[in-house]
Amino acid sequence: DVKVTQSSRYLVKRTGEKVFLECVQDMDHENMFWYRQDPGLGLRLIYFSYDVKMKEKGDIPEGYSVSREKKERFSLILESASTNQTSMYLCASSVPRRSYEQYFGPGTRLTVT
Amino acid sequence: KQEVTQIPAALSVPEGENLVLNCSFTDSAIYNLQWFRQDPGKGLTSLLLIQSSQREQTSGRLNASLDKSSGRSTLYIAASQPGDSATYLCAVDSTGNQFYFGTGTSLTVIP
Repeated sequence: DVKVTQSSRYLVKRTGEKVFLECVQDMDHENMFWYRQDPGLGLRLIYFSYDVKMKEKGDIPEGYSVSREKKERFSLILESASTNQTSMYLCASSVPRRSYEQYFGPGTRLTVT
Repeated sequence: KQEVTQIPAALSVPEGENLVLNCSFTDSAIYNLQWFRQDPGKGLTSLLLIQSSQREQTSGRLNASLDKSSGRSTLYIAASQPGDSATYLCAVDSTGNQFYFGTGTSLTVIP
């Protein structure tokens, strides 16, 4: 079974802090994604990566950056956390050229106070 | 940009009933469509993936259909059970690298 893990289930940070969210997948997938999920807005793509050191902006990249130094690991960075970044963050991975089916991690509930 | 709509937003049914969840999308040029289940506070679990060349997929009591020309998909759940209570999300892949999600249908199955 594909396994996608995220470093924390719950996280509380203060405004202005630098925040790192880590995602690891164990199935050698090329594609990895970061989404945020908010009530009434659904899932929105922040960034995705289709290879090591490659990244593409999604629909809402402002205030975020990402890092992919190894194929299995994709990090989301909030350079200076703000209260409007309080959300559920979901990581996913998929294999291109093979159905593109997405597999999700358990999510990180981030609260910025 | 692809827009995905799910109706109804919430649904409550008695145990044992068959039900249909709807998903519509604006751009029919898609690679595939995926149905997910999400339990409260949890991540998404993949239920079914329908590729653009397919018309339906089945897994156990679940059947998903796809009509690209009309921009619609349905998820049929047979003989619903209380354990089916969750939010069901539809996601459409238009580019091969980016899914667009609906806001989901919250299903409650009453024992």
